[in-house]
Amino acid sequence: DTEVTQTPKHLVMGMTNKKSLKCEQHMGHRAMYWYKQKAKKPPELMFVYSYEKLSINESVPSRFSPECPNSSLLNLHLHALQPEDSALYLCASSQVYSGGTYNEQFFGPGTRLTVL
Amino acid sequence: ILNVEQSPQSLHVQEGDSTNFTCSFPSSNFYALHWYRWETAKSPEALFVMTLNGDEKKKGRISATLNTKEGYSYLYIKGSQPEDSATYLCAFGGGGGGNKLTFGTGTQLKVEL
Repeated sequence: DTEVTQTPKHLVMGMTNKKSLKCEQHMGHRAMYWYKQKAKKPPELMFVYSYEKLSINESVPSRFSPECPNSSLLNLHLHALQPEDSALYLCASSQVYSGGTYNEQFFGPGTRLTVL
Repeated sequence: ILNVEQSPQSLHVQEGDSTNFTCSFPSSNFYALHWYRWETAKSPEALFVMTLNGDEKKKGRISATLNTKEGYSYLYIKGSQPEDSATYLCAFGGGGGGNKLTFGTGTQLKVEL
């Protein structure tokens, strides 16, 4: 199974809502990622988890809160978002770097988020 | 801020044409260069991960080369087919042990019959 699944596919939320995005993979990957993609722009890295520990936070505002409850699951908790946070949120996973081998990332289809 | 640039921004070719795109990236702090294909309404799909200067990789009709000293990579598609229509993204892996990818803006390819 080389699939990364993301739920929901679409999400509309108000600025006072709390919601969560979910990502799941069963490839045994121990690195997982959140990216944000705005229209006509490339995906931008937000967070990296390695062995279920946060290893990279690209200075993301605290209204985005990632969580990696186990090696297959990655969540992104959203609270008090702004309209400019509307974007496609992509999850990815990969093998952790080791022994000079850099590994491809496997992406999910994304969650399209609209903040009203 | 890392500068990863791709050209051209978009490309229309006829079925059967061969084509190529360019990705330019910083030549320092290099770990790896990734190429992805992203079809509309689908997930980005990895094509190649390249690490060594002079590396050349091939998958079917698609191939890629890497020059880390001058900071560029080329992606070639031989005999384009309509199913090759997609956005092709390169991503520079530098920092974070190579896990930290900085994506280029992509080349949007449309192959017409």
